[in-house]
Amino acid sequence: AQTVTQSQPEMSVQEAETVTLSCTYDTSENNYYLFWYKQPPSRQMILVIRQEAYKQQNATENRFSVNFQKAAKSFSLKISDSQLGDTAMYFCAFMKYGSGNTGKLIFGQGTTLQVKP
Amino acid sequence: KAGVTQTPRYLIKTRGQQVTLSCSPISGHRSVSWYQQTPGQGLQFLFEYFSETQRNKGNFPGRFSGRQFSNSRSEMNVSTLELGDSALYLCASSLPSGGADEQFFGPGTRLTVL
Repeated sequence: AQTVTQSQPEMSVQEAETVTLSCTYDTSENNYYLFWYKQPPSRQMILVIRQEAYKQQNATENRFSVNFQKAAKSFSLKISDSQLGDTAMYFCAFMKYGSGNTGKLIFGQGTTLQVKP
Repeated sequence: KAGVTQTPRYLIKTRGQQVTLSCSPISGHRSVSWYQQTPGQGLQFLFEYFSETQRNKGNFPGRFSGRQFSNSRSEMNVSTLELGDSALYLCASSLPSGGADEQFFGPGTRLTVL
């Protein structure tokens, strides 16, 4: 079975600084996807960034980028120029590719990030 | 385009009762997944529906069931409620295209069981 581990329950960062959230996962699969979701206090879950396992190039979305190390099964999220609106809980998630695995995200326990002014 | 909507937003029930939660996906989305979020267990996958068929199921007891209608709207039902069923229930919709489509989440239904 696949598992996702986020070892940092809480983190804080000063506004405009950079922070990195860690995520490791365990799988024997080759075809899968990894995601970072953000859940602000409003509780609405929002996709931040996604990475296809077959792609070696790390995904980036504006101030958000990932460091995907497939051999190490590591998938960290870097937030540059942190903003107050980045304050939220961040979830790392895994999805196995293929029939029989549809629609199922496996989430880590989450990291609460507070951006301080 | 309107987002995923869930009704009701808040529910209070007592042990032994049953409850039905509703999820309307984004227009054009045909897959709906349901998740339970609790402080202790985190986010756990309940089931996924596509074209009125359950395609995938998590490890929850049979008290948890769902269905999907021809317009892709989905409902989940929990019978014989237990205190431990208190949670935020999230639904998410996606196209899907065969790959790992982005799931768009609704605001959730907060269920409290007394």
